[in-house]
Amino acid sequence: QSALTQPASVSGSPGQSITISCAGSNNDVGTYDIVSWFQHHPGKAPKVIIYEVTKRPSGVSSHFFGSKSGNTASLTISGLQAEDEAEYYCCSYTTASTLVFGGGTKLTVL
Amino acid sequence: QVQLVESGGGLVQPGRPLRLSCSASGFSFTSYGMHWVRQAPGKGLEWVAVISYDGGAEYYADSVKGRFTVSRDNSKNTVFLQMNSPRSDDTAFYYCAKALGGSGSHLWAPLSWGQGTLVTVSS
Repeated sequence: QSALTQPASVSGSPGQSITISCAGSNNDVGTYDIVSWFQHHPGKAPKVIIYEVTKRPSGVSSHFFGSKSGNTASLTISGLQAEDEAEYYCCSYTTASTLVFGGGTKLTVL
Repeated sequence: QVQLVESGGGLVQPGRPLRLSCSASGFSFTSYGMHWVRQAPGKGLEWVAVISYDGGAEYYADSVKGRFTVSRDNSKNTVFLQMNSPRSDDTAFYYCAKALGGSGSHLWAPLSWGQGTLVTVSS
């Protein structure tokens, strides 16, 4: 099972919006609405910010927004804040009854 | 609140077995599936395995299938990862995570994560 494809890095200034893409295939993202996004600060536990493509767990800011079109899922962060600087990972269920992660995207807030 | 505490990591020689534990509290453990996910040094997250709420279903990544076994003891609110025949490329932080639900599609969303335990496989 190949990893999902994410850009290695993205950047934006405070207050701006950015979008991180997560490209999969008909074996994962394109077939199931079981896509999650995680925020990972170094040395801390990963934190889920989106699950089932668009849902936010309680306590997660509404400036995180998930979507999907075809084989590609996306995470949009609006109104960037300094504390949003982290590594972001997407994850999808697959036809092989496994989970597959993306390679991760480092977000830099300029 | 949900609390997950991993233990059992450390230095292990290639081929020597190691068992990781994840102690859970703050939720109804018997109702939720549990995942193991790892991160090798300088690498991204890699899913390892999941077990359903009652232990009736287990699924594994190809990279560990046949070598690792996930199990749970619902009387002790603990999930385990038995690592048999570990290799140097199994060196990683290992995280356990609580799923959205116990089975079906809800099994496949790891929502709450522990802090992880480091496993180093080296002679």
